[in-house]
Amino acid sequence: DQQVKQNSPSLSVQEGRISILNCDYTNSMFDYFLWYKKYPAEGPTFLISISSIKDKNEDGRFTVFLNKSAKHLSLHIVPSQPGDSAVYFCAASAGYGSGDKLTFGTGTRLAVRP
Amino acid sequence: DAGVIQSPRHEVTEMGQEVTLRCKPISGHNSLFWYRQTMMRGLELLIYFNNNVPIDDSGMPEDRFSAKMPNASFSTLKIQPSEPRDSAVYFCASSLGYLNTEAFFGQGTRLTVV
Repeated sequence: DQQVKQNSPSLSVQEGRISILNCDYTNSMFDYFLWYKKYPAEGPTFLISISSIKDKNEDGRFTVFLNKSAKHLSLHIVPSQPGDSAVYFCAASAGYGSGDKLTFGTGTRLAVRP
Repeated sequence: DAGVIQSPRHEVTEMGQEVTLRCKPISGHNSLFWYRQTMMRGLELLIYFNNNVPIDDSGMPEDRFSAKMPNASFSTLKIQPSEPRDSAVYFCASSLGYLNTEAFFGQGTRLTVV
């Protein structure tokens, strides 16, 4: 049972344009959401997070949007750069009762074309 | 801090052999996680320790897998006997152990069982 779903395995975007990566979740107990970025042969690195009390969090070129009613979040990268080419994982935690355990999606491979 | 350190980076073993993966978490972190990355399931949580105590091992695929954390600075994941379907990248991650904190990942161990 995949509680965090990333339905697009890959995405290709032109440099300078917007990249939108999507994530859906099924567990209504999730209240904290994170995006990780992964380059080949490296471990995932934390990118940005959002708490369920917010609907938007911004950090430079990266913005995460949360729609709790739809159980959907998205990561926007504007403008996209070739160095953003990586696999992006969406993750969620359920807070009290589950500690800080993170549940991950299957990832979306982003390719930014020069 | 050097971050989460995993060893070995690569392991090739024959089916039926015992494999031991090692992890040194970030000093001061109270939670430690073992994840396995596969194409089909993404980053799959195997086991989660808090203050050296196993909290959730529901992700351990079968009895062939075991994990220990004898102290705050060391953990092992053992597979005995190993099978070709265990081939994957195994990640160790650590976090402060508080709610709403991100996990920091090691570079992973790529395991190939032939």
